Amino acid sequence: DIVMTQSPDSLAVSLGERATINCKSSQSVLYSSNNKNYLAWYRQKPGQPPKLLIYWASTRESGVPDRFSGSGSGTDFTLTITSLQAEDVAVYYCQQYYTTSYTFGQGTKLEIK
Amino acid sequence: EVQLLESGGGLVQPGGSLRLFCAASGFTFNSYAMSWVRQAPGKGLEWVSTIGDSGGSTYYAGSVKGRFTISRDNSNNTLYLQMNSLRAEDTAVYYCAKVAYQLLNWFDPWGQGTLVTVSS
Repeated sequence: DIVMTQSPDSLAVSLGERATINCKSSQSVLYSSNNKNYLAWYRQKPGQPPKLLIYWASTRESGVPDRFSGSGSGTDFTLTITSLQAEDVAVYYCQQYYTTSYTFGQGTKLEIK
Repeated sequence: EVQLLESGGGLVQPGGSLRLFCAASGFTFNSYAMSWVRQAPGKGLEWVSTIGDSGGSTYYAGSVKGRFTISRDNSNNTLYLQMNSLRAEDTAVYYCAKVAYQLLNWFDPWGQGTLVTVSS
């Protein structure tokens, strides 16, 4: 199975500042035939199910604020939240869908400093 | 609006069985693969199983293979997870999720989840 490793495990950022979460896969999730990275990002607020933020590593889901952006390719990916808002407090997960043994990162807890 | 509503969770003894249900609405159910994902208390997300749109293909995490069975009833827009030989480590909230467009896609949306507790 592809192992997804996120860093850091937790992060405290001041309101209005930038938050950066990293995700590394144990093997490439870039499919050469279509040049797409099979990587998604989700946000999970307390007591709620996960919500999709980003797919294909950098495509923002409809309705997701543009302060959320995804980047990276191959095995190294980043979720960036610019100008952190109070409602962004949550746990963030990356997921690979390159194989049907889908795997998630362990999660990164984002808090306000 | 796509809606997924899980049910069937509860308290079960180790070694016991439980069947989870996910009622789907708001989309053409038989055109999409569906998945189950679980989350142990205070822990992260763990993919459990996925089934293709027709039900002809199924995939399982190693931790549940041979004990859990995923299935679907496309005439009733319902996804199932039959869980046998349950262990304490199967205790979790179980979410059903729609696979976006085709099998190798992201999960969206997710249901609210149903809690399964395995304990004597």
